[in-house]
Amino acid sequence: AQSVTQLGSHVSVSEGALVLLRCNYSSSVPPYLFWYVQYPNQGLQLLLKYTSAATLVKGINGFEAEFKKSETSFHLTKPSAHMSDAAEYFCAVSTNQAGTALIFGKGTTLSVSS
Amino acid sequence: DVKVTQSSRYLVKRTGEKVFLECVQDMDHENMFWYRQDPGLGLRLIYFSYDVKMKEKGDIPEGYSVSREKKERFSLILESASTNQTSMYLCASSLMGEKLFFGSGTQLSVL
Repeated sequence: AQSVTQLGSHVSVSEGALVLLRCNYSSSVPPYLFWYVQYPNQGLQLLLKYTSAATLVKGINGFEAEFKKSETSFHLTKPSAHMSDAAEYFCAVSTNQAGTALIFGKGTTLSVSS
Repeated sequence: DVKVTQSSRYLVKRTGEKVFLECVQDMDHENMFWYRQDPGLGLRLIYFSYDVKMKEKGDIPEGYSVSREKKERFSLILESASTNQTSMYLCASSLMGEKLFFGSGTQLSVL
């Protein structure tokens, strides 16, 4: 069975500070990993995905994530937070590259203060 | 751009009512999905469909059914709404082997 655990339901940073959102996964097969973002009153959008090519994955809006098999982690980072990054972020795992059978984490709400 | 449209943004229903949530996508996607989103629980898959008239149960199908009579439309049905079905419902669609596109969601309140 597969699962994801997002550490911290709420993360607060100052504008310009590093953003680090943590995700650990459990999978009996090589996983495909995803980060989705949900802005207020909107649906989810794909930020980035790991599909067993490069372990460092770059996504939209300056976000990136690194797949670390030894730590079973796929943490999301951004060097410098912007006010517009305030949103809810979901890590997800799938058994297939397309992510059509996604298992989501519980989400992390990112707040950015000026 | 792909558009996934959910018919209502907010919906209020009474316990025991039959509720229909509609979702339409305009990009000829084979796959369509219904999730519910609850605070602290993330998204949970209710049902999905890989083709017209085809449906598969997700993780939490109890109390729900679905209908896919046309490729572009995927309906979620609550046969007899209960208060524990108060939630945000998200529809998504995708081509086979491609990423999911989500609608904006329907916030359903069952009183």
